[in-house]
Amino acid sequence: TQLLEQSPQFLSIQEGENLTVYCNSSSVFSSLQWYRQEPGEGPVLLVTVVTGGEVKKLKRLTFQFGDARKDSSLHITAAQPGDTGLYLCAPDRGGQNFVFGPGTRLSVLP
Amino acid sequence: DVKVTQSSRYLVKRTGEKVFLECVQDMDHENMFWYRQDPGLGLRLIYFSYDVKMKEKGDIPEGYSVSREKKERFSLILESASTNQTSMYLCASSFPGALNTEAFFGQGTRLTVV
Repeated sequence: TQLLEQSPQFLSIQEGENLTVYCNSSSVFSSLQWYRQEPGEGPVLLVTVVTGGEVKKLKRLTFQFGDARKDSSLHITAAQPGDTGLYLCAPDRGGQNFVFGPGTRLSVLP
Repeated sequence: DVKVTQSSRYLVKRTGEKVFLECVQDMDHENMFWYRQDPGLGLRLIYFSYDVKMKEKGDIPEGYSVSREKKERFSLILESASTNQTSMYLCASSFPGALNTEAFFGQGTRLTVV
């Protein structure tokens, strides 16, 4: 079983601050997905990173895949209350049973 | 707009009742999944299905069964509900086989067993 760790577990910040959350594993990922789950909803895919060292940007969100493809980070610039939610990472397993990390619960206060 | 729809947002059931959670997707996906989500434990896979009438156990199948009679519908059944099955239940679907496949989730069913 692939063990996924995410840190921090909880994060509460003020609007406008920057933050970084992490996803780590002892295994090599073929690719990695990041999902966000807003309160009362199901998770929604944000991005898939595929190549070691890859950086992808989605507005104020920057996703980086580690060179060794064992870890990934998500950096949010100038966080807004709409960024509040649970951020989950999931190794891409080709559409088979998705396995998710425990998540980072982010709260952005106005 | 693609959709995974779960039949109820909230359910309250009594211990020992048989409970059906229904999930329907309109994307013609072969794969469907049931997870439960609990604080501190993340999303845990209960059962999944790759095709009609096929089912596979996930990590925590005990106390649950599933039914997939039609491609678009995947039902989770609690044969005799217990209080430790109080949880958020999430259904998801996806295309099979290819990398970069996205899981589409329903909005979740918050089940309380009293």
